[in-house]
Amino acid sequence: ETGVTQSPTHLIKTRGQQVTLRCSSQSGHNTVSWYQQALGQGPQFIFQYYREEENGRGNFPPRFSGLQFPNYSSELNVNALELDDSALYLCASSNRDREREQYFGPGTRLTVT
Amino acid sequence: AQTVTQSQPEMSVQEAETVTLSCTYDTSESNYYLFWYKQPPSRQMILVIRQEAYKQQNATENRFSVNFQKAAKSFSLKISDSQLGDTAMYFCAFLEGRQGNLIFGKGTKLSVKP
Repeated sequence: ETGVTQSPTHLIKTRGQQVTLRCSSQSGHNTVSWYQQALGQGPQFIFQYYREEENGRGNFPPRFSGLQFPNYSSELNVNALELDDSALYLCASSNRDREREQYFGPGTRLTVT
Repeated sequence: AQTVTQSQPEMSVQEAETVTLSCTYDTSESNYYLFWYKQPPSRQMILVIRQEAYKQQNATENRFSVNFQKAAKSFSLKISDSQLGDTAMYFCAFLEGRQGNLIFGKGTKLSVKP
C-alpha cells in the first residue's frame, strides 16, 4: 500500500509569485486535507477536499485555493506569495466514509524571500 | 470554537523510563475523536494513537496508552519503556464528528536521553 506523497520537498519563491504544491493520497482514500505548519507551531487547517469538492475551509484568504482530481490526488495553489507564507505545508489523506484517521505526507517546505 | 492546549513545551526522559504528556481540550460537542501524532525531525507526522469520545476504555498501542478523562476534557499520552526513537514533537489533535479538520495543540518536544 502506497502512503501519502507530496512534491516538491523544498521550494524557494519570491514574494508576489505563485506556487503549486501536489499531494497523492493513499490508496483507498477519497479525502485530502491541507495544513500549514509555521516553525514551532502545530499545523493549521487550510481546507479539505472530499470527492473533488471543497468540504470545509480554515481561516485562510482566497489566494489559497485547491483542486482534487478524479484519482483523489490534490493541488494547493497559493497566489501573490507573502513572506508569512513561509512554512511546512502538510497534506493528509483519509476516507471520510469509513474512518476518521488522517495520514500525513512528508510535507513541502516553502520559503518565500 | 474547539481548542487544544498542551501545557508542556518541552520534556525529557531517560531511556527505558515512562513519561506522560498532557493535553486538554475544550468543546461543547459530544461526538468527537482525539489523536496523538508524533513528528520526528524528519518532519513526517505519524499517527500514534486515537480515542473515540464515546468509548470509555482508554486506547493502547503497544508502549503507548492514553488516559482519557471526558468530564475533565483531558487526554494524556503515556509512553512506557521510552526509546531513543521516541524523540520527537508530539501533537495532540481534536476532530469533531461532523467536521473533517483536525485542530492541533502547539506540541510538546520530547527528548529521550541515553
